[in-house]
Amino acid sequence: NAGVTQTPKFRVLKTGQSMTLLCAQDMNHEYMYWYRQDPGMGLRLIHYSVGEGTTAKGEVPDGYNVSRLKKQNFLLGLESAAPSQTSVYFCASSHPRDGSNEKLFFGSGTQLSVL
Amino acid sequence: RKEVEQDPGPFNVPEGATVAFNCTYSNSASQSFFWYRQDCRKEPKLLMSVYSSGNEDGRFTAQLNRASQYISLLIRDSKLSDSATYLCVVIRMDSSYKLIFGSGTRLLVRP
Repeated sequence: NAGVTQTPKFRVLKTGQSMTLLCAQDMNHEYMYWYRQDPGMGLRLIHYSVGEGTTAKGEVPDGYNVSRLKKQNFLLGLESAAPSQTSVYFCASSHPRDGSNEKLFFGSGTQLSVL
Repeated sequence: RKEVEQDPGPFNVPEGATVAFNCTYSNSASQSFFWYRQDCRKEPKLLMSVYSSGNEDGRFTAQLNRASQYISLLIRDSKLSDSATYLCVVIRMDSSYKLIFGSGTRLLVRP
């Protein structure tokens, strides 16, 4: 099992460029998430999905769009990158049962720099 | 005020020491609690869940105090390999399903 795979691992963009980050999981998890992590801020939820074809906004959704066309994939798009979106992005998945045994499986992260 | 708050540290302790971290949460709808560990530039990984009755896993003990709305992590006999950032995670299930991360407490264990 590969677990959660994120691509790319590193990317440098110019302001105004667009890009898509891909997250794939092979654990048949229902829930998937996109987080960003900035120094001193912890992980902040951008968007999440509770199942194929569904998405929802998290804490910091502005400037990002997502799609979950297939259960195993969760895409994060930046339509017009801004320097404020320079961050480390983590994808995660989980299969919550009774809520008390939730375990998030994270991808290895994407370091994005917007110049 | 952040919904989940942690002392950022760093906590600088010698090998063999006992160290404890607290994490406070402000939303009473919070239902589940966890500690994650994150090594530098790596992804977070689940360390342990936190149960109302408290739970222990080797040198690690986690406790929950619902009345005061905080969780704690105690590490006994610290090892150099324990050096990392420890993230508190809260699951809130009111109108929506949310996992909320604290910003983390950094631990440095010195020889």
